[in-house]
Amino acid sequence: AQKITQTQPGMFVQEKEAVTLDCTYDTSDQSYGLFWYKQPSSGEMIFLIYQGSYDEQNATEGRYSLNFQKARKSANLVISASQLGDSAMYFCAMNLINFNKFYFGSGTKLNVKP
Amino acid sequence: EAQVTQNPRYLITVTGKKLTVTCSQNMNHEYMSWYRQDPGLGLRQIYYSMNVEVTDKGDVPEGYKVSRKEKRNFPLILESPSPNQTSLYFCASSLYNNEKLFFGSGTQLSVL
Repeated sequence: AQKITQTQPGMFVQEKEAVTLDCTYDTSDQSYGLFWYKQPSSGEMIFLIYQGSYDEQNATEGRYSLNFQKARKSANLVISASQLGDSAMYFCAMNLINFNKFYFGSGTKLNVKP
Repeated sequence: EAQVTQNPRYLITVTGKKLTVTCSQNMNHEYMSWYRQDPGLGLRQIYYSMNVEVTDKGDVPEGYKVSRKEKRNFPLILESPSPNQTSLYFCASSLYNNEKLFFGSGTQLSVL
């Protein structure tokens, strides 16, 4: 069963605007971590932000914030003030702590238009 | 420099010819793992290791082997590669489970 769902295969955003990338997850476990990674066209995987299942505040890292809605099992990434360098593939991931496993979504390709 | 080193970067081989992709980290990380990335499927975990001599299956372990004889190294072994193992492979490590993963630069494997 798909544990991480990213429903937006591709998105466009105008430079300097904010954009939300959707991520929903499926688990009955109480202990898990949620991650977002960026993969530019060069192929490397870059960590962006982390949210623990017991964290009450939404995580923020610079222009990145994670909109964590536990009851809805969603962990959307918000990028504020988009830049051309934000054009990349973005992956949402979940770590099931008790099983030591990572699950990734299929990714969203973001294009930032000048 | 803290890094995960994966080799080779590109590899073309033929069906059935055993190969090994090496992975090494210099951060004294406990947790290491392997992933394959396929279009439309994202990354899928192949194997992971919590520490030396402790390895376990991820979501797609069939056709792969791993070993963790030293803390820094976690090679991926394909004993009899098949064309459906053509993929982009990533090694990653983290200090412990549920911490951010540091990824290697990837290995693009083609099995003919």
